Amino acid sequence: AQSVTQLGSHVSVSEGALVLLRCNYSSSVPPYLFWYVQYPNQGLQLLLKYTSAATLVKGINGFEAEFKKSETSFHLTKPSAHMSDAAEYFCAVTSDSGGSNYKLTFGKGTLLTVNP
Amino acid sequence: KAGVTQTPRYLIKTRGQQVTLSCSPISGHRSVSWYQQTPGQGLQFLFEYFSETQRNKGNFPGRFSGRQFSNSRSEMNVSTLELGDSALYLCASSLDRGNQPQHFGDGTRLSIL
Repeated sequence: AQSVTQLGSHVSVSEGALVLLRCNYSSSVPPYLFWYVQYPNQGLQLLLKYTSAATLVKGINGFEAEFKKSETSFHLTKPSAHMSDAAEYFCAVTSDSGGSNYKLTFGKGTLLTVNP
Repeated sequence: KAGVTQTPRYLIKTRGQQVTLSCSPISGHRSVSWYQQTPGQGLQFLFEYFSETQRNKGNFPGRFSGRQFSNSRSEMNVSTLELGDSALYLCASSLDRGNQPQHFGDGTRLSIL
């Protein structure tokens, strides 16, 4: 079984400050990890993905995430927040169990607010 | 390249009715998955289709069903609607099966009165 925990349902930062959104996962097999962003009244947009090629993953819009197996974490960061980053962010996991279980399991989401 | 297209964007139904939602995947994508998003339960996996066959199913009652056509387009159907079915229904497509990124449509917002 796999699961995702996102610490902090709401994170508030000032424009220009560091963004750190936390994600911890649980998976019985090597995981594939994703971060998605959702703007109001829209679907989910893929920010970045980890598929075991490199532990530091760079995504779109200046975001990056680091896979730490020892901590079972995949935290999302951005050095300098912009007003347009205000949205809800979802961490998701799937795993290659050799079977057919390719569904995405999502965390509860973190709402990011950026203050001017 | 066009993204995932879901129709309609909004639907209002009453309890007991049934509804059909449509999803056109990105051209060339063969796997289609459906998710339900609600404030209380978050994003939950409904089912996955590939080559016109349901390959995986989430923990939802049999009132929720789907199908996939030969052109990879997919529909999901919900019968005997309940108030709790009010949600945003998201469709996602990926190139193939496996742990590939899924690309999402903007969803269909279903409201049950």
